[in-house]
Amino acid sequence: DTGVSQNPRHKITKRGQNVTFRCDPISEHNRLYWYRQTLGQGPEFLTYFQNEAQLEKSRLLSDRFSAERPKGSFSTLEIQRTEQGDSAMYLCASSPSALGYGYTFGSGTRLTVV
Amino acid sequence: GDSVTQMEGPVTLSEEAFLTINCTYTATGYPSLFWYVQYPGEGLQLLLKATKADDKGSNKGFEATYRKETTSFHLEKGSVQVSDSAVYFCALSDTGNQFYFGTGTSLTVIP
Repeated sequence: DTGVSQNPRHKITKRGQNVTFRCDPISEHNRLYWYRQTLGQGPEFLTYFQNEAQLEKSRLLSDRFSAERPKGSFSTLEIQRTEQGDSAMYLCASSPSALGYGYTFGSGTRLTVV
Repeated sequence: GDSVTQMEGPVTLSEEAFLTINCTYTATGYPSLFWYVQYPGEGLQLLLKATKADDKGSNKGFEATYRKETTSFHLEKGSVQVSDSAVYFCALSDTGNQFYFGTGTSLTVIP
């Protein structure tokens, strides 16, 4: 399978706990993106990487959020001290560098903070 | 800033009916425009795209034309099927660094 893979698919955590999600992009794609999607809304941009460099971060990405992409391959998104407002679907996407190709999205990780 | 406005849903149609989902955009530059589809329990899939004014994107019987004069990118299909039931998202990308999505339009097609 050459699609974008995200793990876990579902995560339930207690408020205040830390969580980490993983994304494995399509191997030949240089760019990797993280989005957050809440119920009834479209995805909102969080951050993106060109290879291992994190080039842009949304103001939605508070200090409790951190993303990494070591060696320009897979990426992790960590949320520290989770809050109920963090409950959402976290989507990863990857693309080649050229504009216009569009993204390939993963199936997402659904986070529920209780 | 850049943004996308989509028609409110949900939309319910009978099989073989004509579909239009309206989408308008605001952008400072010359964005590429996209329609994505999300089936239940799955990630977003690219349905079609257009990269410049007057381009028509098409796929699986769906079409959308990039109209710069009306800043629109309406999605159409002449005859919907039950399998088209999904949520449809209009999106734009100006720099390629991030996408701006609409809120989505839920479509249900009944036999």
